[in-house]
Amino acid sequence: EADIYQTPRYLVIGTGKKITLECSQTMGHDKMYWYQQDPGMELHLIHYSYGVNSTEKGDLSSESTVSRIRTEHFPLTLESARPSHTSQYLCASSERQGAGGTQYFGPGTRLLVL
Amino acid sequence: AQSVTQPDIHITVSEGASLELRCNYSYGATPYLFWYVQSPGQGLQLLLKYFSGDTLVQGIKGFEAEFKRSQSSFNLRKPSVHWSDAAEYFCAVGSLNNNDMRFGAGTRLTVKP
Repeated sequence: EADIYQTPRYLVIGTGKKITLECSQTMGHDKMYWYQQDPGMELHLIHYSYGVNSTEKGDLSSESTVSRIRTEHFPLTLESARPSHTSQYLCASSERQGAGGTQYFGPGTRLLVL
Repeated sequence: AQSVTQPDIHITVSEGASLELRCNYSYGATPYLFWYVQSPGQGLQLLLKYFSGDTLVQGIKGFEAEFKRSQSSFNLRKPSVHWSDAAEYFCAVGSLNNNDMRFGAGTRLTVKP
């Protein structure tokens, strides 16, 4: 069973607020990911990290930013939330470079921006 | 780049009936293939994966999938569906050298009593 955690699970917030979605894993995985998921759509990769101090943007443009100061922690920040940011955000980690490594997912954060 | 197609958006089956969810992929080299399941309000849970070897892969919860290179398919099957199998199912393709994994749009499974 994968040990990857996301907080908060649900968040309702007003436009213009700064928010940080937390993601932590206890498996010692080097690679971590953030996906955005909308109903009936495929998962879209918005950020990933190879390891500490490494962050890359994914194939879906996002106004969010990420940091990777510790192996186990990969928070995602929105400086000024907008209704268009309403979505579900999934964090994942994998144990080796390349997509061949199985990705393990957290439970997700469902964000609603009013 | 790789891509995944799940032709069925929504499937309804009766409890106890067999199930097959379709997945077609596009990738030039040998793919790594995955099936994940997502229950409402939850993240994705890995059901099974194919990297190499036997093309019939067994997973958790009684699921299996068969890799058919000639058809570029990786269909998920279960001989007898349980009500608890109602969920969204995602097929995904990756490779050793790429930095990301591509997911299909998902198939929502409804189980009738």
